[in-house]
Amino acid sequence: AQTVTQSQPEMSVQEAETVTLSCTYDTSESDYYLFWYKQPPSRQMILVIRQEAYKQQNATENRFSVNFQKAAKSFSLKISDSQLGDAAMYFCAYKWNTGNQFYFGTGTSLTVIP
Amino acid sequence: DSGVTQTPKHLITATGQRVTLRCSPRSGDLSVYWYQQSLDQGLQFLIQYYNGEERAKGNILERFSAQQFPDLHSELNLSSLELGDSALYFCASSGLAGLSYEQYFGPGTRLTVT
Repeated sequence: AQTVTQSQPEMSVQEAETVTLSCTYDTSESDYYLFWYKQPPSRQMILVIRQEAYKQQNATENRFSVNFQKAAKSFSLKISDSQLGDAAMYFCAYKWNTGNQFYFGTGTSLTVIP
Repeated sequence: DSGVTQTPKHLITATGQRVTLRCSPRSGDLSVYWYQQSLDQGLQFLIQYYNGEERAKGNILERFSAQQFPDLHSELNLSSLELGDSALYFCASSGLAGLSYEQYFGPGTRLTVT
């Protein structure tokens, strides 16, 4: 069964600093997708970044980048130059390429300290 | 704006009642997912429809049901409501073909059962 684990319920970072959120997953599949979603206080779920398992290159979106380690089944999110607006709950998610369901972790609450 | 719409935004009702939540997916998306998020909790997957057919089922209570109509909008019906059903209910849609497999979330419907 596919499971997604976020072992850090809460994290904090100083404004302008860098923080890394951890995510591990368990799967026997080789072709899948991984995602990070952000949920700010508004509760809207916002896609931050996506990684295809077949791609060796780590995805990057502006200040957000991932460290995808397929063999270790690890998918961490790095936020550089943290801003106050980055404060949110962050969810890691997995989807098998031809499967139907998305599997979400339990989330990491990120606080940005001014 | 994700392109996914949900109505109503807020719903307050009494225990024992029945409500219907509505979701319109992004244009072209065939899959609709329903999630429940209780206060300070992660996302609980309820059910997925693809082009009118049920594709995956999560921890959906028997008091809850859903359907997807020919125009691809979906409705989630919650009956015999209990206090514990108070939560934020998200709808998400995703495409089938091409490069886009990520889910796009609607703004959610906040249900309060009194």
